Amino acid sequence: GAVVSQHPSRVICKSGTSVKIECRSLDFQATTMFWYRQFPKQSLMLMATSNEGSKATYEQGVEKDKFLINHASLTLSTLTVTSAHPEDSSFYICSARSDPNTGELFFGEGSRLTVL
Amino acid sequence: AQRVTQPEKLLSVFKGAPVELKCNYSYSGSPELFWYVQYSRQRLQLLLRHISRESIKGFTADLNKGETSFHLKKPFAQEEDSAMYYCALSNQGGKLIFGQGTELSVKP
Repeated sequence: GAVVSQHPSRVICKSGTSVKIECRSLDFQATTMFWYRQFPKQSLMLMATSNEGSKATYEQGVEKDKFLINHASLTLSTLTVTSAHPEDSSFYICSARSDPNTGELFFGEGSRLTVL
Repeated sequence: AQRVTQPEKLLSVFKGAPVELKCNYSYSGSPELFWYVQYSRQRLQLLLRHISRESIKGFTADLNKGETSFHLKKPFAQEEDSAMYYCALSNQGGKLIFGQGTELSVKP
């Protein structure tokens, strides 16, 4: 199957700083990537759809100025958590489709953010 | 409204027992439904999708439009089936909407 990779897998930062998480499709090109947030043993909440070459589409209730998404190439999307606070601590997961005609999404390994 | 509901947060069975993980959905169009699995310390991965009508690792799921359900079943659970299971619905925009997840624990 297709491979999606995230970096870093774990990051700890101080409150008020910004953190960037990268999501790469390693063996396919993705015009669209999806960013999810997951709380322990809970569901994945879709945050936004990252579109290559255009603005991201955010889900209701997600602050676009807080969670900056950039999709500069067909294999890379980045999520920047700006002015992070402890409540932003979570597991962030990206995903993408290798074939836009199929429904299957391939997921990254996730990035655990801890804000002190 | 588009919604996926998994009523059971935790399901605990003994090895060899039948398993049914429940999933109900709410969607106005023609849904495309999936089951994803997340084993301990691994990434989320596709288990099966309703359009394939296939059996993966002994699991099957049938879409029942009348009951708006897509329950996941396995006749004889194995210890290695212990994991988090997520039912998901793909809408026309290509977004995947997840249920709350059910933790399956298979005891020896």
